[in-house]
Amino acid sequence: DAKTTQPTSMDCAEGRAANLPCNHSTISGNEYVYWYRQIHSQGPQYIIHGLKNNETNEMASLIITEDRKSSTLILPHATLRDTAVYYCIVRLYNTDKLIFGTGTRLQVFP
Amino acid sequence: GAVVSQHPSWVICKSGTSVKIECRSLDFQATTMFWYRQFPKQSLMLMATSNEGSKATYEQGVEKDKFLINHASLTLSTLTVTSAHPEDSSFYICSARETGTRTEAFFGQGTRLTVV
Repeated sequence: DAKTTQPTSMDCAEGRAANLPCNHSTISGNEYVYWYRQIHSQGPQYIIHGLKNNETNEMASLIITEDRKSSTLILPHATLRDTAVYYCIVRLYNTDKLIFGTGTRLQVFP
Repeated sequence: GAVVSQHPSWVICKSGTSVKIECRSLDFQATTMFWYRQFPKQSLMLMATSNEGSKATYEQGVEKDKFLINHASLTLSTLTVTSAHPEDSSFYICSARETGTRTEAFFGQGTRLTVV
């Protein structure tokens, strides 16, 4: 079973920051937080991952709380092309398995 | 970034026939690949772990005799849906991560199977 909880859907205005929360209260010390997104009828696309420090790349930022029980994915300037389902996944360091939860459907509007 | 390619992108087959779906890692080697299934408006469900040179490991509830997995090389895994029925119609997706690295897993573009 997925170890994460996400809101079912969110809206965001184009050009604004999209903040997608994820709850992973049962995460253990050697588990990473991964974020993927899936645009309609395509395979998931990797966004970012982290263990305990905040991370940033060209796509997004990942903010992980100090107790690691929750995290937030931030898309700094959302565009219409960011409309997708965003999945927050907890993964054990020594396994390649990714167990997907229900994800958050982000709708970016003009 | 690394590329995982699936073939075909879509396929329509008749009930009772078998369909083979290929998953290739184009620029890296993958000892392990994963197969997922996704029904409309649902999340991805892990079906099995494909292991190069050995038997696949299936998730609970997935029939190994119906979904045959072969991982004959470090760049190719195949999923064969045997004796397909309309309820097998789904979006099948594979993923792979480069062996021996800590890179993220990459996903194929998916295969839309329709059984008529």
